[in-house]
Amino acid sequence: EAQVTQNPRYLITVTGKKLTVTCSQNMNHEYMSWYRQDPGLGLRQIYYSMNVEVTDKGDVPEGYKVSRKEKRNFPLILESPSPNQTSLYFCASRTGKRRNTEAFFGQGTRLTVV
Amino acid sequence: GNSVTQMEGPVTLSEEAFLTINCTYTATGYPSLFWYVQYPGEGLQLLLKATKADDKGSNKGFEATYRKETTSFHLEKGSVQVSDSAVYFCALSEVNQAGTALIFGKGTTLSVSS
Repeated sequence: EAQVTQNPRYLITVTGKKLTVTCSQNMNHEYMSWYRQDPGLGLRQIYYSMNVEVTDKGDVPEGYKVSRKEKRNFPLILESPSPNQTSLYFCASRTGKRRNTEAFFGQGTRLTVV
Repeated sequence: GNSVTQMEGPVTLSEEAFLTINCTYTATGYPSLFWYVQYPGEGLQLLLKATKADDKGSNKGFEATYRKETTSFHLEKGSVQVSDSAVYFCALSEVNQAGTALIFGKGTTLSVSS
């Protein structure tokens, strides 16, 4: 089954404690991205990757890091989380080369930073 | 830059009512247009898409027509059900130097009561 898998689904952490949210896809997609979803703001892109070892900033990259060492995995790293990073996070993947292809989304990770 | 504007929600309807969710876009080229749906507690999934002017996307009783002259892609359904309660996102995709960016509107929450 084609899918994007995120872990964990829920996470409560304290300010400053490094954390990683994992994302894995089994569709051999080149393009992967991370979004955060906040009430009234919709989905905002954090980082994206066009292929292995190629990553770039989205609209709201501050406080986040990513890596793309393998095509299937695209972890999101918060080196020093702060309360304003409390949000619902989604990983997505799609074929990168054509504009008419759909994006596949993970189930989401609800992060609370206290 | 490219952008998507959706009508503000929430939209509250009774079962079997007619639904319209307005979506307009700004793009420099010829984007593909999408509607995604997010059911409670889940990630986004593709509802329908249209890849060129005058195309009509349809799925699960929902329809949207790509109108280049009005830069619109309004979502419609003739008779909504309680199970249609969800958040709906309009999105566009266009090829640029970063690959194929997917830009979302802020989402419209639909609540259907029996």
